[in-house]
Amino acid sequence: EPEVTQTPSHQVTQMGQEVILRCVPISNHLYFYWYRQILGQKVEFLVSFYNNEISEKSEIFDDQFSVERPDGSNFTLKIRSTKLEDSAMYFCASSEVPAGGADTQYFGPGTRLTVL
Amino acid sequence: AQKVTQAQTEISVVEKEDVTLDCVYETRDTTYYLFWYKQPPSGELVFLIRRNSFDEQNEISGRYSWNFQKSTSSFNFTITASQVVDSAVYFCALSESHKAAGNKLTFGGGTRVLVKP
Repeated sequence: EPEVTQTPSHQVTQMGQEVILRCVPISNHLYFYWYRQILGQKVEFLVSFYNNEISEKSEIFDDQFSVERPDGSNFTLKIRSTKLEDSAMYFCASSEVPAGGADTQYFGPGTRLTVL
Repeated sequence: AQKVTQAQTEISVVEKEDVTLDCVYETRDTTYYLFWYKQPPSGELVFLIRRNSFDEQNEISGRYSWNFQKSTSSFNFTITASQVVDSAVYFCALSESHKAAGNKLTFGGGTRVLVKP
């Protein structure tokens, strides 16, 4: 069964460093998302992406964040200058064009980002 | 703005007991979609079920069933005859339908279910 994959599974970085989190969405899906989950808290929406542009973003997704689809398979989230409060689990999700209704988002296993 | 509330933070049951998870949502949209996701100890988010706002028929799928009541804005989820492998955090989520697709999910705070043998 096709699934969303994410690399790395765990990333440790120093405050102020740039990180890139990578995702490979399900191959026939056209909508891509990033969410984050601070330890023990709820899952929060960051950004959605369709047709090579941001579709929607939350207040969390400030100028320090960017997303890109550099090729036909990868979808990346970049954090330019990490802060301690960026430590969280980051989930990538994807969904296909729905037939007459909403799309179901399928999530990857997550990347745990630890900022020291 | 949309909001999802899961009042139960943790539920502990003994194997084979049924467990019902409560979910209450707020939205101004007339068309929306509700979801349940499971997050086992390994951390991934696993899609379980989806329900459209215009279909209030309740269903059963294996050991899972759900009770969608628009009048009370509730979307409760029941696991029948629980098993140890059901131990996880369960999230209720809401998606409004501003766009045909690509709508963000708003999650509740999650309910941790612990099934003891």
